[in-house]
Amino acid sequence: AQTVTQSQPEMSVQEAETVTLSCTYDTSESDYYLFWYKQPPSRQMILVIRQEAYKQQNATENRFSVNFQKAAKSFSLKISDSQLGDAAMYFCAYRGMRGGSEKLVFGKGTKLTVNP
Amino acid sequence: NAGVMQNPRHLVRRRGQEARLRCSPMKGHSHVYWYRQLPEEGLKFMVYLQKENIIDESGMPKERFSAEFPKEGPSILRIQQVVRGDSAAYFCASSLTKGLAGPETQYFGPGTRLLVL
Repeated sequence: AQTVTQSQPEMSVQEAETVTLSCTYDTSESDYYLFWYKQPPSRQMILVIRQEAYKQQNATENRFSVNFQKAAKSFSLKISDSQLGDAAMYFCAYRGMRGGSEKLVFGKGTKLTVNP
Repeated sequence: NAGVMQNPRHLVRRRGQEARLRCSPMKGHSHVYWYRQLPEEGLKFMVYLQKENIIDESGMPKERFSAEFPKEGPSILRIQQVVRGDSAAYFCASSLTKGLAGPETQYFGPGTRLLVL
């Protein structure tokens, strides 16, 4: 079974600085998708960024970018120019492409604090 | 385009009662997923449905829990004879019909917070 590990329960960053959140996963599949979701205090789950495993180029969405290392099964999220509104729980998620089910497997999350 | 809608947002039940959670997917989405989030935990998959079909219920507890997605109307997650351990946030997500490129991104609703007294 696939597993997703986020080894940093909490992280903090100064406003306008850069922070990197770690995520590793375990799978025997070669094709899959990886996601980062943000959960602010409202607890709404918001998609931040998505990466297809067959793409070598790292995904980027404005201030958010990923470092996808397929061989190492690593998928870290970099937040540049951090803003107060970035404070939230961040969840890394895996989704396979086999078997007919497309369930997401989530890590336990990293709580990000942004200091003014 | 309205997002995924869930109601109620908060639900309080006493032990032994039934809880019904509703989810209306985004317009045009025919795939619905239910996840449960316990305090201080990530989301755990429960069930995946398409219209009138359960595709994957591998994450559903064997007893007391059921889900449906009828041809008309919202998807329903039903918990019978609730116990305190059912207290959690229940999230629904939806996605478009599976395309040639593979699974589509799931978009989440705001969740239903269930509290069992």
